[in-house]
Amino acid sequence: KQEVTQIPAALSVPEGENLVLNCSFTDSAIYNLQWFRQDPGKGLTSLLLIQSSQREQTSGRLNASLDKSSGRSTLYIAASQPGDSATYLCAVRRGGWNTDKLIFGTGTRLQVFP
Amino acid sequence: DTGVSQDPRHKITKRGQNVTFRCDPISEHNRLYWYRQTLGQGPEFLTYFQNEAQLEKSRLLSDRFSAERPKGSFSTLEIQRTEQGDSAMYLCASSLIGELFFGEGSRLTVL
Repeated sequence: KQEVTQIPAALSVPEGENLVLNCSFTDSAIYNLQWFRQDPGKGLTSLLLIQSSQREQTSGRLNASLDKSSGRSTLYIAASQPGDSATYLCAVRRGGWNTDKLIFGTGTRLQVFP
Repeated sequence: DTGVSQDPRHKITKRGQNVTFRCDPISEHNRLYWYRQTLGQGPEFLTYFQNEAQLEKSRLLSDRFSAERPKGSFSTLEIQRTEQGDSAMYLCASSLIGELFFGEGSRLTVL
């Protein structure tokens, strides 16, 4: 059974810091991995998608890496800003002809203070 | 290009009542998913459709829950005889290939 763990559960940093959020998963047979952002009481916003054959993806100040063999992904946020404050969720996607679901971690709650 | 839309955004109901949520996916997305999220947890998979066919259902989806996607476009999720444990955010997502896009969710409170 696939399990996804995110560390740390919460993080509070001053504005301007570079930071790394960690995601680990127990079953390396994944189709892809997706990072999301969730603001309180809102839905999920897709940040980055990494296919199982890829090692990393970048979008602006965000960089996500994937190491399937070790069951790990990291989300790197450069030069953090107060507007980055949110919960960050990673999810691995199992694929197959008869299954298609995301398995989520419980998230990292990030607060960036001025 | 509109995103995934869900309605209603908030629903307060009394235990035992039936509720229905609607999801309109991004147009031309053939896959549609329902997830449930409780406070402090990540979303949990409930079910998904490819076009109008419901291809997978989680064991979380008890017989009080039913989902439909009659014409392969919008979908509805109905909960019958609601219980307090059904209180959660119900999230809908759609995809064409690869990336999932989520709506803002429908928050259900059962009193």
